[in-house]
Amino acid sequence: NAGVTQTPKFRVLKTGQSMTLLCAQDMNHEYMYWYRQDPGMGLRLIHYSVGEGTTAKGEVPDGYNVSRLKKQNFLLGLESAAPSQTSVYFCASRTWRGAAYEQYFGPGTRLTVT
Amino acid sequence: DAKTTQPNSMESNEEEPVHLPCNHSTISGTDYIHWYRQLPSQGPEYVIHGLTSNVNNRMASLAIAEDRKSSTLILHRATLRDAAVYYCILGAGGTSYGKLTFGQGTILTVHP
Repeated sequence: NAGVTQTPKFRVLKTGQSMTLLCAQDMNHEYMYWYRQDPGMGLRLIHYSVGEGTTAKGEVPDGYNVSRLKKQNFLLGLESAAPSQTSVYFCASRTWRGAAYEQYFGPGTRLTVT
Repeated sequence: DAKTTQPNSMESNEEEPVHLPCNHSTISGTDYIHWYRQLPSQGPEYVIHGLTSNVNNRMASLAIAEDRKSSTLILHRATLRDAAVYYCILGAGGTSYGKLTFGQGTILTVHP
């Protein structure tokens, strides 16, 4: 099993450009999450999904959109990138079964917006 | 959301035990205590979790105070590979959908 994979690993955008980050998991997990991590900070939740076709806002959703068309994939979109969105983005997934289960994280995407 | 308080940093020597404290005085009865760690340039990884009783696994032990207002992650013999940021997180049950709220964590430095 590959676990949680993220594409791409690195990306540089110019202000105003758009892009989509792809997260894929092969563990048949129902819940998926997108986080961002700024230097020296903990992770902050952007959006999450509790199943195929569902999405919900997290702590810092502004400037991002998400889609979960297939259970195994969770896409994070930036329609018009801003320098404030320079960050490392992590995707995670977990099973729905109760509060005790762990989240599995991907390796991250390092995004720089100039 | 209930919050946790951790020291900003701690240091240890290799092969010595490490006790990482966490205060969570506003914990509710259904909150699990989760510990994750983040190695340099990697995503976080699960370490251990507990509700009321002390827990052991192959990575660490979790000691939970009787009143549940604090807990301690114990690494029995630190290795250089244990150098990471350790996050203590309260995970609510019910309709929280497993969401985790990360603080700044404790930076653990392990000296050879």
